[in-house]
Amino acid sequence: SQQGEEDPQALSIQEGENATMNCSYKTSINNLQWYRQNSGRGLVHLILIRSNEREKHSGRLRVTLDTSKKSSSLLITASRAADTASYFCATDPSGYSTLTFGKGTMLLVSP
Amino acid sequence: DGGITQSPKYLFRKEGQNVTLSCEQNLNHDAMYWYRQDPGQGLRLIYYSQIVNDFQKGDIAEGYSVSREKKESFPLTVTSAQKNPTAFYLCASTLDGHSNQPQHFGDGTRLSIL
Repeated sequence: SQQGEEDPQALSIQEGENATMNCSYKTSINNLQWYRQNSGRGLVHLILIRSNEREKHSGRLRVTLDTSKKSSSLLITASRAADTASYFCATDPSGYSTLTFGKGTMLLVSP
Repeated sequence: DGGITQSPKYLFRKEGQNVTLSCEQNLNHDAMYWYRQDPGQGLRLIYYSQIVNDFQKGDIAEGYSVSREKKESFPLTVTSAQKNPTAFYLCASTLDGHSNQPQHFGDGTRLSIL
């Protein structure tokens, strides 16, 4: 079953703008992770936030986690054309790294 | 460079045929995973293995089989019992299968029916 659900399904912005993607999930989690997938390629891990953390930064990425609302957001600041990809959230409810993925947000950044 | 290698990149299956997808890693990771991705969808877990000679079914194991005879290798067989095998298959690994670890992915195998 797919626990994480990303919103929006697709997002189109201009270079330099910020992109925000949201993820909602249903059950309790050990951590929530965000991944990026370029077309036809494998997934690349971006950031992991544990259930006892509220915010985490990595370069131009900022992730927040609200366990009371069972939701997370990924913010990409000052986006670039190279950020064009699909972005997935994944939750780890079991503690054995068997991730449950959402359907993803497709981000298009135009030059 | 350490990483996960999946082969072949493209694979075609005839009716009634079993096919095997290769996944090799040189990251010295204990845990390995197989996912299936359909167009516009997220990943669904087929099988996973946390240690050599042991593996567990995921959410959609029917029609698939795996083996884990070596730490580096986790091949996936798509059997003729899998009636809708057309999809993008992704292999991943983590250090020891415990929580709070990122997964490292290969570049996938795209399987189609002839």
